[in-house]
Amino acid sequence: TQLLEQSPQFLSIQEGENLTVYCNSSSVFSSLQWYRQEPGEGPVLLVTVVTGGEVKKLKRLTFQFGDARKDSSLHITAAQPGDTGLYLCAGGPAQGGSEKLVFGKGMKLTVNP
Amino acid sequence: GAGVSQTPSNKVTEKGKYVELRCDPISGHTALYWYRQSLGQGPEFLIYFQGTGAADDSGLPNDRFFAVRPEGSVSTLKIQRTERGDSAVYLCASSLTGGGVDTQYFGPGTRLTVL
Repeated sequence: TQLLEQSPQFLSIQEGENLTVYCNSSSVFSSLQWYRQEPGEGPVLLVTVVTGGEVKKLKRLTFQFGDARKDSSLHITAAQPGDTGLYLCAGGPAQGGSEKLVFGKGMKLTVNP
Repeated sequence: GAGVSQTPSNKVTEKGKYVELRCDPISGHTALYWYRQSLGQGPEFLIYFQGTGAADDSGLPNDRFFAVRPEGSVSTLKIQRTERGDSAVYLCASSLTGGGVDTQYFGPGTRLTVL
């Protein structure tokens, strides 16, 4: 069974601070996706990383896929209250496997003004 | 354009009852997925449709759960003899082709409460 562990699970910070969320697994994934989910809504895709060592930037968010494609990190610079939400990582299908996503439990971020 | 829609948004039922949850995917998307999200957890895969057929139903927890997609568009998740442990948010997602890193677009979910 493929599992993704996220840490920390909860984080409450002040506006302007930086933070990093980690997503780790003992399994290899063909892709790693990061989602943001707000209360009462479904997850919304932020980014997909597919190549080991890949780094992608989305404004103040930086995503990295580990060299071995087993782990990933999300770094947010100068967090803003609008960044508040649940951040989920999800592993994409292994080569030749089902198309299902395997999700971590998520990191609940609160950014206080 | 319209996103994935799910109805009802909330469903409260009694233990032992039958429920149906509906998902309308994005028009033209051939792949459709059902996930279940319990409180404090990430979404957990239930079943994946490619067109009308269930390509992977390995996530369905037991035979009380069943899903259909008869015309390759709308899907219905059916739960028989509901139990309190079935209480969760049921999420539906669709993607254009279902292949590789195809983006899955999620609906807002149906919150099921079994009393």
